[in-house]
This record gives sequence, C-alpha cells and structure tokens, in this order.
Amino acid sequence: KQEVTQIPAALSVPEGENLVLNCSFTDSAIYNLQWFRQDPGKGLTSLLLIQSSQREQTSGRLNASLDKSSGRSTLYIAASQPGDSATYLCAVRDPNSGYALNFGKGTSLLVTP
Amino acid sequence: GAVVSQHPSWVICKSGTSVKIECRSLDFQATTMFWYRQFPKKSLMLMATSNEGSKATYEQGVEKDKFLINHASLTLSTLTVTSAHPEDSSFYICSARSDSRNTGELFFGEGSRLTVL
Repeated sequence: KQEVTQIPAALSVPEGENLVLNCSFTDSAIYNLQWFRQDPGKGLTSLLLIQSSQREQTSGRLNASLDKSSGRSTLYIAASQPGDSATYLCAVRDPNSGYALNFGKGTSLLVTP
Repeated sequence: GAVVSQHPSWVICKSGTSVKIECRSLDFQATTMFWYRQFPKKSLMLMATSNEGSKATYEQGVEKDKFLINHASLTLSTLTVTSAHPEDSSFYICSARSDSRNTGELFFGEGSRLTVL
C-alpha cells in the first residue's frame, strides 16, 4: 500500500526566506503527484500537478520537482511571505487508487513577519 | 474554472439524527467524485468513490450503511451520515475529477465540519 510521508511536520521561518518542503512515497509507480495548500478549517487548494513523465512544475514563487525513481518530490517556495502560512499537503495517484489520491500528513508552515 | 462547492460548510446535530452534505462541481461535469474524512493532524482518509449513476465504492473499514452516498447527476454527489454519533464528528471533504480534462487533477471542495452532540 502506498505510503506518503512529509518532512518536516512543522516549519517556522522568517519572512523572505526560501524554503523546501519534502515529500516521499513508497511505491514509485505513480501516475501523478499533486501539491495542495490547506488553510485552517478550509478545503484544499491545488498548487501544482506533476505528471509522472515530468520532472518539475512552476507557478509563481512555487516550484515542485519530482524524482519518481527515488520516490521523492520537493516543493520550493521562494521569498516566503506571511500569507504563505498554511498546511501543505502532498498526494500521489497510483494504479492501485484509481483516480483517488493518497495523502501525506502535511507540513504546517508558519512564516513570521 | 474547476470549482467544487460543498454545503453546508459546518453543521451541528444531535446524536441519532442524519446529516446530508452536498458536493457540487460548479463549472464542469464529474462522473467521479471522492469523499474524504480528515482527523486533526492526520492525513485525509479516502472514504469512498462516488460514481454517477451507479453505486459508490467504499474503502475497507467504511460502513456503507452509515455513510450513504448518492451521485444522481454529473454535478452533484451527496454524503448522508445516518444515525450520527459523536465519533462521526469530523471534517469531510469532497473532490471531483473533471470529465473533460485528462490530467488526472482533482479539485476539492471547502469541506464540511460536522459536530455531533
């Protein structure tokens, strides 16, 4: 069964810093990987989707990379801002899950002014 | 585009009553929708896959008689928590896959917070 792990569980950084969130998965036979943002008590906002054939995706200050063979993905956030404070979730879709996603527990990010 | 709406966003009910949560895809059709449950500081747990016009597929350990799912149209799936008990209190989130996109990307609703007294 696919296991998705996110490290660190929590992270606090001062405003302006660049940071990296890590995601690993145990079964490399994935279709795609998706990064989400979740604000407290809210639903999920899709940030980036990386197909299994892709190595990275970029959106604004966000860059996500995928190394499928080693079962890793990173989310890079440049020039962090207090508004980036949220929980970031990594999820993978694999042949065993149909179109559903397997989620990690998330990284809780706090960006302090 | 690709907006998923959930209603209600929060609900409080008495033990023993039933609660219905709606999940709508506002600007796309979704043959397949998913219902997740999220416990505090835990991963989202897939409860069931909702298929338009057919029975839902439930994950192991999820009681189908407790969590009734109906997907009667291409834009609406409902989750009914029957005879709710305090242990059913949780955050329920639905997601939908657009029929017209082949990316496999899922779009999520805002979630529904259920509190059973």
